[in-house]
Amino acid sequence: DAGVIQSPRHEVTEMGQEVTLRCKPISGHNSLFWYRQTMMRGLELLIYFNNNVPIDDSGMPEDRFSAKMPNASFSTLKIQPSEPRDSAVYFCASSFGRGANVLTFGAGSRLTVL
Amino acid sequence: AQTVTQSQPEMSVQEAETVTLSCTYDTSENNYYLFWYKQPPSRQMILVIRQEAYKQQNATENRFSVNFQKAAKSFSLKISDSQLGDTAMYFCAHQLSGATNKLIFGTGTLLAVQP
Repeated sequence: DAGVIQSPRHEVTEMGQEVTLRCKPISGHNSLFWYRQTMMRGLELLIYFNNNVPIDDSGMPEDRFSAKMPNASFSTLKIQPSEPRDSAVYFCASSFGRGANVLTFGAGSRLTVL
Repeated sequence: AQTVTQSQPEMSVQEAETVTLSCTYDTSENNYYLFWYKQPPSRQMILVIRQEAYKQQNATENRFSVNFQKAAKSFSLKISDSQLGDTAMYFCAHQLSGATNKLIFGTGTLLAVQP
């Protein structure tokens, strides 16, 4: 298996632009998580899906952020409009089932908003 | 609410020595899981070790072992025979059992293994 695939790996954009981050989870995994990592706040859980349904989006910072999972093999995290404080590394992770779910992380998308 | 605290922002150890990273957590639940993840400079998050709260025996994975103290809500990671490749950020994480399986991370400890 290729693991969790994220794209783009790096993105540099200007304030006000729309940003879309993409994630392909491991085939067969039924839970998907979006995390944001910054120096100041560490790893924050933004939202997670179970069987393509958003379960908890309490970590989404504000309405500028939205996430979708139209099918079991694809998810997007969108920021519109982007702001400099959104600069961070965004991780997608997936897992299967319940219990001691081991999350498998993607390589992350580093976003820089100028 | 789930919270995870790592009180050591940075640590350093000599190659081949042993080091212990601290982690405490807070939860009102009785069934949960604990993890240590490693993040080397490559940025990839890698699972190091996991512990089920219902198991009294401490988990061990080769040179990595934990000291799980459920009553004290403490979950420290011991790295034996430290290697240069162990240099990384280490994150402690907590996951509730049951319907939700979200993973909450501590702020991390940056470990530097010195030659």
